[in-house]
Amino acid sequence: GENVEQHPSTLSVQEGDSAVIKCTYSDSASNYFPWYKQELGKGPQLIIDIRSNVGEKKDQRIAVTLNKTAKHFSLHITETQPEDSAVYFCAFSLNTGFQKLVFGTGTRLLVSP
Amino acid sequence: DTEVTQTPKHLVMGMTNKKSLKCEQHMGHRAMYWYKQKAKKPPELMFVYSYEKLSINESVPSRFSPECPNSSLLNLHLHALQPEDSALYLCASSLGLPETQYFGPGTRLLVL
Repeated sequence: GENVEQHPSTLSVQEGDSAVIKCTYSDSASNYFPWYKQELGKGPQLIIDIRSNVGEKKDQRIAVTLNKTAKHFSLHITETQPEDSAVYFCAFSLNTGFQKLVFGTGTRLLVSP
Repeated sequence: DTEVTQTPKHLVMGMTNKKSLKCEQHMGHRAMYWYKQKAKKPPELMFVYSYEKLSINESVPSRFSPECPNSSLLNLHLHALQPEDSALYLCASSLGLPETQYFGPGTRLLVL
């Protein structure tokens, strides 16, 4: 079936620490893996995405890694700041001819000053 | 500019009311989406429009009726909703299918 497991469900870190969120997906034909950040009362905001022809992508403090063989992908946030506190969703696209995104269950990240 | 706007921000309606949610984007995107998000859950896809034609209906009850008047606008007409339909309704758009989806801020709907 179409599903993605996301861990952990909650993550508390101190400011300046790193945070890692991991996802495992089911559809081996998937080729697009976005990550969204959702702050309270707001819509999801795309923060980084990766396609299957790339193993790693970095944007300042945020990086995503993809292991297609193991069907894992991870979000890495370095030097966390209190404003990084939010719910983070991983997603992957089903290979249905259009981009139906299947979302993970979300990780609530809390960064304490 | 990657902005999708939605109105209203909040909506309270009774089960006999008829209301509409509106979504707008001016990025030249040709695909638009409606999602429903319950508290502490991920977004769930409801409808997909591509080039103003309904491409996907994820078995959504007929009390939700989408409409795409033009390539920049997407509406969701609501009629005879149930309290369990209370949720955050999100609109998203993408350049085409498949492409990166950008979400609006959502309309928080409460059905009494």
